[in-house]
Amino acid sequence: GQSLEQPSEVTAVEGAIVQINCTYQTSGFYGLSWYQQHDGGAPTFLSYNALDGLEETGRFSSFLSRSDSYGYLLLQELQMKDSASYFCAVRDGNNYGQNFVFGPGTRLSVLP
Amino acid sequence: GAVVSQHPSRVICKSGTSVKIECRSLDFQATTMFWYRQFPKQSLMLMATSNEGSKATYEQGVEKDKFLINHASLTLSTLTVTSAHPEDSSFYICSARGSTGSYEQYFGPGTRLTVT
Repeated sequence: GQSLEQPSEVTAVEGAIVQINCTYQTSGFYGLSWYQQHDGGAPTFLSYNALDGLEETGRFSSFLSRSDSYGYLLLQELQMKDSASYFCAVRDGNNYGQNFVFGPGTRLSVLP
Repeated sequence: GAVVSQHPSRVICKSGTSVKIECRSLDFQATTMFWYRQFPKQSLMLMATSNEGSKATYEQGVEKDKFLINHASLTLSTLTVTSAHPEDSSFYICSARGSTGSYEQYFGPGTRLTVT
């Protein structure tokens, strides 16, 4: 079956660095995405990794290790507005690789 | 960036009635649209994938006769919840992809459905 695991909650202070891990077990794998969702809002795309390694986009970086079925989202210089839920999502082999399976989400709280 | 709209944003309906939710890609042609359901503080659960001009592909456990999906054009997909019941109350979110090879999905703002 398909399963993704993430920590349910993470708390950090402004200016700190936070890493949110994601492990997955899926039938097929094309890539790993990360999405941010504020309460009551829609998910917004943050990053996508298809190959091993680190992708950096501003304060956010995402890492993938396909051999370990593992990835993480790294948030640097945390700001209050980063308080949100973060979902990893695997683009799996179903439906010709069109589908994404979402993880349970990690709720990040940034404290002043 | 690509914009996806949903209408309505909130709807309250009585048990037994049907509700239609529209999902539109405003500035691009969406070859594929996805419909998700999200319960409070939970993850997004894929309900179905729809490609323009063809029947939707439903995920296991999703009743296709209850959740009718139509993707009539490259900019519009609709989800109709038929004979709604209180347990159908949820946040329904659509997303759209512009090309088959693209990995990025653009999400709509979601529709909060409450069935009384």
